[in-house]
Amino acid sequence: KAGVTQTPRYLIKTRGQQVTLSCSPISGHRSVSWYQQTPGQGLQFLFEYFSETQRNKGNFPGRFSGRQFSNSRSEMNVSTLELGDSALYLCASSLLPSGGSNIQYFGAGTRLSVL
Amino acid sequence: KQEVTQIPAALSVPEGENLVLNCSFTDSAIYNLQWFRQDPGKGLTSLLLIQSSQREQTSGRLNASLDKSSGRSTLYIAASQPGDSATYLCAVPLTSYGQNFVFGPGTRLSVLP
Repeated sequence: KAGVTQTPRYLIKTRGQQVTLSCSPISGHRSVSWYQQTPGQGLQFLFEYFSETQRNKGNFPGRFSGRQFSNSRSEMNVSTLELGDSALYLCASSLLPSGGSNIQYFGAGTRLSVL
Repeated sequence: KQEVTQIPAALSVPEGENLVLNCSFTDSAIYNLQWFRQDPGKGLTSLLLIQSSQREQTSGRLNASLDKSSGRSTLYIAASQPGDSATYLCAVPLTSYGQNFVFGPGTRLSVLP
């Protein structure tokens, strides 16, 4: 079956703009998590959604937001872009949010460059 | 606050060598620990997940061990191959019930033919 799909794969924006990234989870998966990866900070957890509800949120400013639709697809939005928002944004899906045995499956990511 | 470190940061070995990657975490009250592989510019692939009650997990040429009391995990790769070249990350959950992780910085492995 198809894996986690993230669109677009690459994005170039300028400071002050806003951006929306999309993630389609594996069919049947209801949990979607977002991560930011930068050379300086590594991989950092942004937020997690399950059944259209945000369950967990990482330590990021309010400019970073997300949502999940009834079909489990998720979007994340970054407003008022800053140069430091340039990163690889990864989405992961899993069947359920709880339980340590649930493996997360990652998409290939969206590489955002802010000029 | 949970912090995860990995050593070495980078490793270059000739094909066929056995190697060990190390991961350390500061809070031993973890629910599980997971090892991932990341190829350049791509997402993560889960390699092994070790529950807190387990000591080790094996998958093919990979073996991961967990010592909660000392806050350490190792990933052992036997008979390395050029296709093993990638960045290897370990991760522990942020909460006792969730599966969203604190990641280590990774070890970049190059296996030379």
